[in-house]
Amino acid sequence: AQTVTQSQPEMSVQEAETVTLSCTYDTSESDYYLFWYKQPPSRQMILVIRQEAYKQQNATENRFSVNFQKAAKSFSLKISDSQLGDAAMYFCAYRSAMGGATNKLIFGTGTLLAVQP
Amino acid sequence: DTAVSQTPKYLVTQMGNDKSIKCEQNLGHDTMYWYKQDSKKFLKIMFSYNNKELIINETVPNRFSPKSPDKAHLNLHINSLELGDSAVYFCASSILDRQFGGYTFGSGTRLTVV
Repeated sequence: AQTVTQSQPEMSVQEAETVTLSCTYDTSESDYYLFWYKQPPSRQMILVIRQEAYKQQNATENRFSVNFQKAAKSFSLKISDSQLGDAAMYFCAYRSAMGGATNKLIFGTGTLLAVQP
Repeated sequence: DTAVSQTPKYLVTQMGNDKSIKCEQNLGHDTMYWYKQDSKKFLKIMFSYNNKELIINETVPNRFSPKSPDKAHLNLHINSLELGDSAVYFCASSILDRQFGGYTFGSGTRLTVV
């Protein structure tokens, strides 16, 4: 069974600085998708960025980028120029490409990010 | 608005009661899910339906019964509520064959059992 591990329960960053959130996963599959979701205090789950495992190029969405290391099964999220609105719980998630009964997002335990003004 | 909408947003009830949470999506997705987020914020899938057919049923007590009258609706009925059922329940939807698309989540239902 696949597992997702986020080893940093809490992180803090100064406004305008850069922070990296760690995520590792375990799978025997070669084709899958990885996601970062943000959950602010409003509790809404917001998709931040996604990566296809067969693509070597790291995904980027504005100030958010990932460092995807497939061999190491690592998928970290970098937030540049941190803003107060980035303060939230961040979840790393895995989804198999096989579909059917494997069609589920498997989440890590989350990293609570605080942004200091 | 295109979205996944859940009702109610908050639900406070006594132990032993039966309650339902409703979910509707107007995104044209063919698959819907129920996730439970516990007090430590951990998210775990409970059920998934594809075109009204149950495709995922994780280890969930029989007191939880999902129902999907059509592919745009997925309801969750809980019998004989227990204190441990207190959590936030999220509905989500996706297109089964577009795994890269991720899920669209509802805003969650905070269930408190007293």
